[in-house]
Amino acid sequence: AQTVTQSQPEMSVQEAETVTLSCTYDTSESDYYLFWYKQPPSRQMILVIRQEAYKQQNATENRFSVNFQKAAKSFSLKISDSQLGDAAMYFCAYRSASSGNTGKLIFGQGTTLQVKP
Amino acid sequence: KAGVTQTPRYLIKTRGQQVTLSCSPISGHRSVSWYQQTPGQGLQFLFEYFSETQRNKGNFPGRFSGRQFSNSRSEMNVSTLELGDSALYLCASSSAGTSFHEQYFGPGTRLTVT
Repeated sequence: AQTVTQSQPEMSVQEAETVTLSCTYDTSESDYYLFWYKQPPSRQMILVIRQEAYKQQNATENRFSVNFQKAAKSFSLKISDSQLGDAAMYFCAYRSASSGNTGKLIFGQGTTLQVKP
Repeated sequence: KAGVTQTPRYLIKTRGQQVTLSCSPISGHRSVSWYQQTPGQGLQFLFEYFSETQRNKGNFPGRFSGRQFSNSRSEMNVSTLELGDSALYLCASSSAGTSFHEQYFGPGTRLTVT
């Protein structure tokens, strides 16, 4: 079975600074997808960034980028120029590429990010 | 497009009762997945429905069930409620048209069992 681990329950960053959230996962599959989701206090889960395991190039979405290390099974999220609106709980998630599992996300425990003004 | 909607947003039930939660996916999305979120267990996958068929199921007791209608709207039912069923229940819809099958989440239903 696949598992996702986020070892940092809480992180804090100064506004405009950079922060990195860690995520490791365990799987025996070679083809899969990884995601970072953001859940602000309003509770609406929002997709931040996604990565296909077969792509070596790290995904980037504006101020958000990932460091995907497939051999190490590591998938960290870097937030540059942190803004107050980035304060939220961040979840790392795994999804198998097999056809029967496209609707199943496996989540880590989450990291609460505090942004200090 | 309108987002994923869930009703009701808040619910208080008594132990032993049953409850039905509803989820309306984004128009055109045929897949609906349900998750339970609790402080202790985090986010756990309940089940996924695609074209009115349950395609995948998580590790939850049979008290948790669901269904999907021809318009892709989905309901989940929890029978014989227990205190431990208190949680935020999230549903997510996705389109089979992209390789990512990106899931879009609703705002959730907060269930409190007393």
